[in-house]
Amino acid sequence: DVKVTQSSRYLVKRTGEKVFLECVQDMDHENMFWYRQDPGLGLRLIYFSYDVKMKEKGDIPEGYSVSREKKERFSLILESASTNQTSMYLCATWDSLGYGYTFGSGTRLTVV
Amino acid sequence: SQQGEEDPQALSIQEGENATMNCSYKTSINNLQWYRQNSGRGLVHLILIRSNEREKHSGRLRVTLDTSKKSSSLLITASRAADTASYFCATDDNYGQNFVFGPGTRLSVLP
Repeated sequence: DVKVTQSSRYLVKRTGEKVFLECVQDMDHENMFWYRQDPGLGLRLIYFSYDVKMKEKGDIPEGYSVSREKKERFSLILESASTNQTSMYLCATWDSLGYGYTFGSGTRLTVV
Repeated sequence: SQQGEEDPQALSIQEGENATMNCSYKTSINNLQWYRQNSGRGLVHLILIRSNEREKHSGRLRVTLDTSKKSSSLLITASRAADTASYFCATDDNYGQNFVFGPGTRLSVLP
């Protein structure tokens, strides 16, 4: 089974801090995604990547950046955390056969 | 933009009953998927149905797709308390590269 591992389940950060959310997959999937999930809004795509060193903006990229230096690792960076970035963050991969996303367990980030 | 919209927003049933959730979308799709999310966890892929398919089964799950009505339904038969979760449909965008998720249906199965 594909495993997608997010480094933290819960995280509390202060306003203005630089925050790194890490995501690692143990299969050879090219495509990786970062979503945020908020009540009543569903999942919203922040950034995605189809290959190493490649990144594309999703629907809500403002305030975020990403890094993909290795195929298995896709990092989401909050350059200067703000309280409106308090949310559940979900990383996902997509295999080339297109059978569906595999999601990590999520990181619940609180910015105080 | 393309987005599946689940209906109802919340559903509460007794164990053993069937649960039906619906998803409507706006524009043509290539694929539609259903996912389950247990409280505070990541999403788990249930079924992918392609636009040329009308029905798919997986265990107690049955998914139908009606492209003429731009809608899909997820039926869970003989529900169990462990089926309590949120269920999301996801539709692909016009380029078939990314999927857009609806806000979900919260299912509660009471013992």
